[in-house]
Amino acid sequence: NAGVTQTPKFRILKIGQSMTLQCTQDMNHNYMYWYRQDPGMGLKLIYYSVGAGITDKGEVPNGYNVSRSTTEDFPLRLELAAPSQTSVYFCASSSLGSGGTEAFFGQGTRLTVV
Amino acid sequence: KNEVEQSPQNLTAQEGEFITINCSYSVGISALHWLQQHPGGGIVSLFMLSSGKKKHGRLIATINIQEKHSSLHITASHPRDSAVYICAAPYSGGGADGLTFGKGTHLIIQP
Repeated sequence: NAGVTQTPKFRILKIGQSMTLQCTQDMNHNYMYWYRQDPGMGLKLIYYSVGAGITDKGEVPNGYNVSRSTTEDFPLRLELAAPSQTSVYFCASSSLGSGGTEAFFGQGTRLTVV
Repeated sequence: KNEVEQSPQNLTAQEGEFITINCSYSVGISALHWLQQHPGGGIVSLFMLSSGKKKHGRLIATINIQEKHSSLHITASHPRDSAVYICAAPYSGGGADGLTFGKGTHLIIQP
């Protein structure tokens, strides 16, 4: 059972470049999330989705975009990468939302913008 | 937005000791999550609880809804329990979904 799979695990970007962080889950979960984790800080919500075709902003959405064309996939797009986007990114999913069921996390993507 | 505070931030203990990590939150919630993050970075869910107590092996989580407080206990701690333990609460208000996280407790169990 793969659960939540994120790719890549590591990436170095130059300022101004763009990239897409991939996230896929095989548990047929409706709810999917992108979080970022900065040193010494709690994870912060970037974007979330409650089902295919529906996305919404979280706490720190600036500089990111998402799409949800299928239940399984929830890619995160970084346009014009900036050093402030250096972070560890986690994708997560749950079946009934954060108040109803446990969350399953991917292994994370460590991104460095130089 | 729910504010989540954890204590202590760092904890070093000897193998076999009883460990307690505390979590408080500011807004009433339907459920609280306890998560574990290992040095490799992956995050796994330990508990989701909305009342009372849950137990899984040597881990026990309790919650007091009226006081907006939860604790995670580890009995007979072992070096393999060394990890970051994170509590998280659902966002409240505005219809948003997702979790608000504490900063984590960095636990080291020495042999």
